[in-house]
Amino acid sequence: GALVYQYPRRTICKSGTSMRMECQAVGFQATSVAWYRQSPQKTFELIALSTVNSAIKYEQNFTQEKFPISHPNLSFSSMTVLNAYLEDRGLYLCGAREGNSGNTLYFGEGSRLIVV
Amino acid sequence: GDSVTQTEGPVTVSESESLIINCTYSATSIAYPNLFWYVRYPGEGLQLLLKVITAGQKGSSRGFEATYNKETTSFHLQKASVQESDSAVYYCALGDHYGSSGNKLIFGIGTLLSVKP
Repeated sequence: GALVYQYPRRTICKSGTSMRMECQAVGFQATSVAWYRQSPQKTFELIALSTVNSAIKYEQNFTQEKFPISHPNLSFSSMTVLNAYLEDRGLYLCGAREGNSGNTLYFGEGSRLIVV
Repeated sequence: GDSVTQTEGPVTVSESESLIINCTYSATSIAYPNLFWYVRYPGEGLQLLLKVITAGQKGSSRGFEATYNKETTSFHLQKASVQESDSAVYYCALGDHYGSSGNKLIFGIGTLLSVKP
């Protein structure tokens, strides 16, 4: 079956430092990857959409300068939270999809960022 | 705009009781809305529970059902008899059907369900 693994599951970082998280698709080819964040007391919010061989599309309020994403092949993606501050804390989810039409988004378990 | 509104939790029911978690949506910019219910069990990742891509159709999984009602813009989640193992957070979500924008899911706030033995 299709599985998505995320690493690390949880990170505590000091304010102003950066955190890199990884997303691995197993059992399918992740042509598209979406990164979401769930901040405390909020629902999941899309950060950016990444499609192999296409430009990464960031949502309003999120920038490449703050959340650089790499999607080098059909099984792996990574995102870094640069200069993390309190407002960046939350659960970061990677959702991967195979193909380009109506397929299910498979999510990893998430990487939780705690900023101190 | 596009949005999803669902029952605010926490919702507490006793085992074997029936359950309904309401979900309504607004899809003003999505040409072909797909509707989803995702579930997050304690300590686990977000899993797809069921999805429906065609208005008027019903999706079902693990005893849960939801009907895509375009007239009332609703996608309520129902189960006739819940079990303690159904305790989880349930998210209603709206997505597009085609193209890379199909990756963009708009989630509801999530409903925490606690089933008492």
